[in-house]
Amino acid sequence: DAKTTQPTSMDCAEGRAANLPCNHSTISGNEYVYWYRQIHSQGPQYIIHGLKNNETNEMASLIITEDRKSSTLILPHATLRDTAVYYCIVRGYSGGGADGLTFGKGTHLIIQP
Amino acid sequence: ETGVTQTPRHLVMGMTNKKSLKCEQHLGHNAMYWYKQSAKKPLELMFVYNFKEQTENNSVPSRFSPECPNSSHLFLHLHTLQPEDSALYLCASSQDTLTGQPQHFGDGTRLSIL
Repeated sequence: DAKTTQPTSMDCAEGRAANLPCNHSTISGNEYVYWYRQIHSQGPQYIIHGLKNNETNEMASLIITEDRKSSTLILPHATLRDTAVYYCIVRGYSGGGADGLTFGKGTHLIIQP
Repeated sequence: ETGVTQTPRHLVMGMTNKKSLKCEQHLGHNAMYWYKQSAKKPLELMFVYNFKEQTENNSVPSRFSPECPNSSHLFLHLHTLQPEDSALYLCASSQDTLTGQPQHFGDGTRLSIL
């Protein structure tokens, strides 16, 4: 699976959009980009994933660059409850393996009141 | 809320005890996973089951023994654990291991070994 690079921490004001970047310059054609977050003392929470096209759901939007070497997770109206560690994960499917997810250090997003 | 339920949420045990962690998913998924999260370390994959068959054992010591009686339930049997085994043990499930569908996690069991 390709490696990802994320900033260690970010601040965002409550009510504003939080934009979390992720670099994955070695991503290959069959690898998806996944975003999870983890709030202290809870399990990781799935947010969104995508392959090539931009994606949007009730939680967030995922913008993937045309060359797929980077992506941005957007929380459109951040609230205090969005304070968490956000993980960007790249994972491919060969059809024969059963790999788990590889979590790096993630970005600690702090929403300021 | 989560479709993956883990019990107990907290467990304290001595090194000579035998205990089991339980995971149940209500999502109709066919793949289930055990992960370990130690303090200040990334998640480590331990075991993977796909359609009740174990498909991955990530070099986990034999004092951890998984069991998957059906697609909805996953157990982790513990015996003769060491203090370094104290960690948050997370269960996850996904539709399967082949289609790129995301994994959904429970809130974990916080295990402390005395």
